[in-house]
Amino acid sequence: EPEVTQTPSHQVTQMGQEVILRCVPISNHLYFYWYRQILGQKVEFLVSFYNNEISEKSEIFDDQFSVERPDGSNFTLKIRSTKLEDSAMYFCASSVGYNEQYFGPGTRLTVT
Amino acid sequence: LAKTTQPISMDSYEGQEVNITCSHNNIATNDYITWYQQFPSQGPRFIIQGYKTKVTNEVASLFIPADRKSSTLSLPRVSLSDTAVYYCLVGGPNGGGYNKLIFGAGTRLAVHP
Repeated sequence: EPEVTQTPSHQVTQMGQEVILRCVPISNHLYFYWYRQILGQKVEFLVSFYNNEISEKSEIFDDQFSVERPDGSNFTLKIRSTKLEDSAMYFCASSVGYNEQYFGPGTRLTVT
Repeated sequence: LAKTTQPISMDSYEGQEVNITCSHNNIATNDYITWYQQFPSQGPRFIIQGYKTKVTNEVASLFIPADRKSSTLSLPRVSLSDTAVYYCLVGGPNGGGYNKLIFGAGTRLAVHP
């Protein structure tokens, strides 16, 4: 069964550093998403991406965040200057259309 | 997007049927009801989706009464591996506002031996 993959599984960074989280969505999917989950809290939507542009973003997705699909397979989330409160599990998801989303295993980001 | 209410936690034993009810009193005409499952340290996983009456797949059944103000996820004969958080989402066909999924706190199901 095809699956969404994410790298790295765990990223530790210092406050103020830039991080790039990588995702490989399922190959025939057209819609891509990033979510985050702070430890012990609910899953929160960050951004959706379709046709090489952002479709929708949440209030969390401020100017420090950016997404990119640099080639035909990868989908990345960049945080320019990490803050302590960015520590969370970041999930990438993809879907064929407006239907079920397939989530990756997540990247645990720890900001120290 | 319609607000959902579901129990914070439930306990069950292996082999039992588990029913998790979700209330969504202000569901809109075009809204679907979607359930996701999340194991610890993993991403959510789609379980089932429905619009009205009953939907069944290899994993679960979803019961939706005529007024659609609530829904019940039914897990037949649970096992220890069904211990997870279950989320009820109401909205577009993907459980959100078409472009996103809106998760609540979910129901934490613990299955005991």
